[in-house]
Amino acid sequence: GENVEQHPSTLSVQEGDSAVIKCTYSDSASNYFPWYKQELGKRPQLIIDIRSNVGEKKDQRIAVTLNKTAKHFSLHITETQPEDSAVYFCAAMDSNYQLIWGAGTKLIIKP
Amino acid sequence: NAGVTQTPKFQVLKTGQSMTLQCAQDMNHEYMSWYRQDPGMGLRLIHYSVGAGITDQGEVPNGYNVSRSTTEDFPLRLLSAAPSQTSVYFCASSRTSTYEQYFGPGTRLTVT
Repeated sequence: GENVEQHPSTLSVQEGDSAVIKCTYSDSASNYFPWYKQELGKRPQLIIDIRSNVGEKKDQRIAVTLNKTAKHFSLHITETQPEDSAVYFCAAMDSNYQLIWGAGTKLIIKP
Repeated sequence: NAGVTQTPKFQVLKTGQSMTLQCAQDMNHEYMSWYRQDPGMGLRLIHYSVGAGITDQGEVPNGYNVSRSTTEDFPLRLLSAAPSQTSVYFCASSRTSTYEQYFGPGTRLTVT
């Protein structure tokens, strides 16, 4: 089945700098790759997603890139702000309609 | 729209007890799923459903049953609770499998 690995587990950046989180997946038939943000004690919420027929997608300060050949995708956050502090999860939808999640990245924004 | 609702919010069970976690959505979504989230880990898929009458196992199905008799409801049954099932359980729904999943508020379950 699908396996998703996410790095780093913790990322600390200065406010205003950029943050990059990377994920790899194993099932070449996976076709949907969402990113979720989870604040402490709350439910996960979608921040951006990308489908396998697209290489890059951007939404204001957030962008996601997908390399199908290498089977990896990345989340880029520019001009980080204190409210970006949270745990971020990547996920991949495999050929059996199962959404498999990475272990998460705790993003810390230093003032 | 209430979105995705889950009950109860908190539950304490003794080993061997059974119970049902309720999940309902009012968005007419076809795809529904149950996850468990343990400290320091991502969400792990327990069971999912692509439509009423259709369910399938996820990554960690052992000890859990589901049914989907209506589009709206997707209950999760713990057959005989074990301490290893202590976790936060989230229900989610989406229009189809490759669209945004909307999560319920979660159920914090402790098994002693």
